[in-house]
Amino acid sequence: AQSVTQLGSHVSVSEGALVLLRCNYSSSVPPYLFWYVQYPNQGLQLLLKYTTGATLVKGINGFEAEFKKSETSFHLTKPSAHMSDAAEYFCAVSAGGGSQGNLIFGKGTKLSVKP
Amino acid sequence: DVKVTQSSRYLVKRTGEKVFLECVQDMDHENMFWYRQDPGLGLRLIYFSYDVKMKEKGDIPEGYSVSREKKERFSLILESASTNQTSMYLCASNEAGGGWIETQYFGPGTRLLVL
Repeated sequence: AQSVTQLGSHVSVSEGALVLLRCNYSSSVPPYLFWYVQYPNQGLQLLLKYTTGATLVKGINGFEAEFKKSETSFHLTKPSAHMSDAAEYFCAVSAGGGSQGNLIFGKGTKLSVKP
Repeated sequence: DVKVTQSSRYLVKRTGEKVFLECVQDMDHENMFWYRQDPGLGLRLIYFSYDVKMKEKGDIPEGYSVSREKKERFSLILESASTNQTSMYLCASNEAGGGWIETQYFGPGTRLLVL
């Protein structure tokens, strides 16, 4: 079975500061890992995903995440926060194909960006 | 651009009413999903469908049913609404090719209040 833990339900950073949102996963098979973002009053949209290959994954809006198998982590980073990054971020894991492959979402981390 | 639309942004219903939430996607996607989103719990999968008239239970199907009569439309039905079904409901769709690792495209959500 898969599970996801997002450390910190709220993270606050200053504009221009580093953004680091933490995600740890548990999976009995090689995982597929995702970060989705939800802007206020909108549905979720994909930021980036790791399936196979390069462990450093670049996404939209300057975000990236690194798959670290030894640490069972997939933390999301952005070097310099922008006011428009204020949103809720969800990490998700999947076992891939088959009936047990549905996405398991973390509880979310709300990012605030202070001017 | 993929578009997933949901019939209502806000809905207020009374306990015991039958409630229909409609979702339409315009990208000819095979897979469609219904999630509910609650603060501090993230997203949880209610039902999904991988083809017309096909459905599979997700993690929390109790109290819900679904209908998929046409490829582009996926309906969530609350047979007898209860107050514990007050939540945000999100619809999503994706292509069949890669199964669960294909990007899911989300609608804006329907916020349901059951009184």
